[in-house]
Amino acid sequence: QSVLTQPPSVSAAPGQRVTISCSGSSSNIGNNFVSWYQQLPGTAPKLLIYDNNKRPSGIPDRFSGSKSDTSATLGITGLQTGDEADYYCGTWDSSLSAWVFGGGTKLTVL
Amino acid sequence: QVQLQESGPGLVKPSETLSLTCTVSGDSISSSRFYWGWIRQPPGKGLEWVGSVYFSGITYYNPSLKSRVTISVDTSKNQFSLKLSSVTAADTAVYYCARPYSSSSDAFVSWGQGALVTVSS
Repeated sequence: QSVLTQPPSVSAAPGQRVTISCSGSSSNIGNNFVSWYQQLPGTAPKLLIYDNNKRPSGIPDRFSGSKSDTSATLGITGLQTGDEADYYCGTWDSSLSAWVFGGGTKLTVL
Repeated sequence: QVQLQESGPGLVKPSETLSLTCTVSGDSISSSRFYWGWIRQPPGKGLEWVGSVYFSGITYYNPSLKSRVTISVDTSKNQFSLKLSSVTAADTAVYYCARPYSSSSDAFVSWGQGALVTVSS
C-alpha cells in the first residue's frame, strides 16, 4: 500500500493527451515538491519533472507537471508509442522522514 | 556527465547480509550538498526508497527497513554503500543508486543501471 496513490493504468491513442494523477496528504505532496519518473521496460527510471513542474534539460515540453493541495498531475501531450512506460510520482514525506513513491501507472498508447 | 554504477553479489542466502556499492564518476560526493539515495524495485513491482546518505555520513532510512539497513559513504573512493541484514526472499529486487538533481531539489536525476539481487538458498 503506497503512501501516494496513482491509477494502475491509463490509455490513450497516439497524438492524444493523457493525465496521470498522484494523490497524497499534507505531510507529503501538500508541503513538499513532487517529481515524476518514466520507466521504460528493463531500464532505470528517468526524471521527467522535478519541483512540481520543472523539466530537466532534454525533456520535451510534451511533458508537464502541476500540483494542487495534496494532489499532483503529470500531463503528456502528443502521445507517441515510445511513451508506453510505467510512470511514478515521488516526494518527501515530512511525517515519515522518508522519500515515498506512488505505486506506478502503466501507460498504454493504443 | 554523472554516472553511477552499482556493484556487489547478485545472489545472497536467506538470513545473510546484502552488500552493494555505488561508484560515482563525473561528480564528487565530498563536495556535494545533497543526499545520495538507494531505491529498490522487486520484480514486477513498483519503486521503494531504501535510504539516503549525505556526504558527511548523515543518513535517512525507510522506516519499514530501518532496523536492517546501513548506508555509509566513502568520500576517498567516491562511493556509497548499502548493507541490508537478515534478508529474505522479499528483499529480492533490482537495487538502484541515485543522485539528486541539486542541493535544493531532492528529485533523483541520475540513476545507476541497477543491480539485481536475488535472495535464495
